[in-house]
Amino acid sequence: EDQVTQSPEALRLQEGESSSLNCSYTVSGLRGLFWYRQDPGKGPEFLFTLYSAGEEKEKERLKATLTKKESFLHITAPKPEDSATYLCARGGYQKVTFGTGTKLQVIP
Amino acid sequence: DVKVTQSSRYLVKRTGEKVFLECVQDMDHENMFWYRQDPGLGLRLIYFSYDVKMKEKGDIPEGYSVSREKKERFSLILESASTNQTSMYLCASSFEEYSNQPQHFGDGTRLSIL
Repeated sequence: EDQVTQSPEALRLQEGESSSLNCSYTVSGLRGLFWYRQDPGKGPEFLFTLYSAGEEKEKERLKATLTKKESFLHITAPKPEDSATYLCARGGYQKVTFGTGTKLQVIP
Repeated sequence: DVKVTQSSRYLVKRTGEKVFLECVQDMDHENMFWYRQDPGLGLRLIYFSYDVKMKEKGDIPEGYSVSREKKERFSLILESASTNQTSMYLCASSFEEYSNQPQHFGDGTRLSIL
């Protein structure tokens, strides 16, 4: 069974304090690894797709990386507006599996 | 930008009612999806469709049905609403081979069944 596990479940950071969110996934048959941001009461907003180990994508203070068994979302010098739940999803054979997310709070 | 529009942000219905949730996408995507999202359980796939008039069961189809008469529109139907169907419902769409392309989501419908 395809699995996606995100850690930590919740993370509280001071503004400017860099950190990383982790997503581990079932390796066999990976077709794409997706990151989303979800604000309270809204739908997930697509951020990045990664396809192969070693690949990196960046957007503002966010950088997503992919290894053979994990993906990381690095947040550099976060701001309060980065507070959200970040979801990771794994594309497999005819199926996309979502993790339960990491809830990030950035305190001014 | 892809836009996925769900017809209602909030909906309150009674047990036993037939409930329709509507979703429209404007990017000519082949694939459309319905999920429900509950705290601690993440997103769970109810049904999806890869073409007009085609539908496939997801992980939790019981108590639901879907309709896709036009490419841009995908409807979720609760045949006889029950309180355990109170949830956030999310519609999504994606291009072509959906397991290696990102899905784009609407803003959700928060449905309460009383």
